[in-house]
Amino acid sequence: GGIITQTPKFLIGQEGQKLTLKCQQNFNHDTMYWYRQDSGKGLRLIYYSITENDLQKGDLSEGYDASREKKSSFSLTVTSAQKNEMAVFLCASSILDRQDTQYFGPGTRLLVL
Amino acid sequence: QQQVRQSPQSLTVWEGETAILNCSYEDSTFNYFPWYQQFPGEGPALLISIRSVSDKKEDGRFTIFFNKREKKLSLHITDSQPGDSATYFCAASYSAGNKLTFGIGTRVLVRP
Repeated sequence: GGIITQTPKFLIGQEGQKLTLKCQQNFNHDTMYWYRQDSGKGLRLIYYSITENDLQKGDLSEGYDASREKKSSFSLTVTSAQKNEMAVFLCASSILDRQDTQYFGPGTRLLVL
Repeated sequence: QQQVRQSPQSLTVWEGETAILNCSYEDSTFNYFPWYQQFPGEGPALLISIRSVSDKKEDGRFTIFFNKREKKLSLHITDSQPGDSATYFCAASYSAGNKLTFGIGTRVLVRP
């Protein structure tokens, strides 16, 4: 088994602020993902990284940057937080040839004042 | 345009009843359909999945019914328990090596 750790658990930011979310996994998975979850909109893919030196944009990449520091860690940066923004950011991982089976972390809850 | 659609958005059933969650998709080349279960404050977790070569997959009280011709599937939760109260996401993939496309989810509440 393994675990995905996301930090921080809660994040309160100010409008225009640059905010960084971190994700660590000990599954030894090659592929990692960042999703945004909004009520009524499901899970939308922001960025993913197929292997350690790879970075791919998802459907919702505008306004975000991502960095795969090493195989076990994947960070997401909100480049300029939007006022009244409220969402949950979920990190996930999978083995390289099984992207259809993903393991999720508990999420980071963002609130922008 | 949403590739994977789910209905209803929310569903309330009594303990012991069968909850039926619906999912439909646009792209006929999708061939793998997992359902994820998410409890409040947690990330989603894989619950049950089906490949397009099958029309039914059962795991305990959870059953997926799949209709390839109509591009529809449903998740049945029989003998619903209060502990089944969660949000359920239908997802789809082109193959094992391709990423998932998620629906918006169905929030299920099971009343004791």
